[in-house]
Amino acid sequence: NAGVTQTPKFQVLKTGQSMTLQCAQDMNHEYMSWYRQDPGMGLRLIHYSVGAGITDQGEVPNGYNVSRSTTEDFPLRLLSAAPSQTSVYFCAAGGGQETQYFGPGTRLLVL
Amino acid sequence: KQEVTQIPAALSVPEGENLVLNCSFTDSAIYNLQWFRQDPGKGLTSLLLIQSSQREQTSGRLNASLDKSSGRSTLYIAASQPGDSATYLCAVPGVNTGGFKTIFGAGTRLFVKA
Repeated sequence: NAGVTQTPKFQVLKTGQSMTLQCAQDMNHEYMSWYRQDPGMGLRLIHYSVGAGITDQGEVPNGYNVSRSTTEDFPLRLLSAAPSQTSVYFCAAGGGQETQYFGPGTRLLVL
Repeated sequence: KQEVTQIPAALSVPEGENLVLNCSFTDSAIYNLQWFRQDPGKGLTSLLLIQSSQREQTSGRLNASLDKSSGRSTLYIAASQPGDSATYLCAVPGVNTGGFKTIFGAGTRLFVKA
């Protein structure tokens, strides 16, 4: 049981480039979410999904896009990377009325 | 809007000491409260989840309490060890948002000296 996995672990982008952060879970949770963690700002919700085909915005959704075609996968797309998107990104499965489980994170640097 | 505050921001204690970490929240309409541990450069690991109808939850040397009416939770760590050094975060999913928007505290950074 791998839990929640994220790839890549680390990525460097140039301003304006796009990329997709991958997230997968094998726990069959309907609810998945993406957070970013910044020093002094704590964890902030970017987007979340309550099931395949259903997504919604969190607290800081601008510049990010998500889709949920399967229960297992919940990729996060950066449309045109900006230095302000330098952060550590965490994917989570579960939450709401259930225990929430986090992936190991993706550290992103935008130059 | 739900706000979650954790005090203290940082704590340094000698090994073997019992300690209490505090978490407060402004909106008592919550499904549950979850405590996490985060080691440097790692993801969050769930420690305890207290449902809104519960008063406390225990796991090994950890005991978490919840007083929903006063908007407070405490995490009690007994007989602390150097391996307990980490950042501890509390989080609440809000009932008013269907439980889908979890708000996190900024965390308490704990250092246990050998």
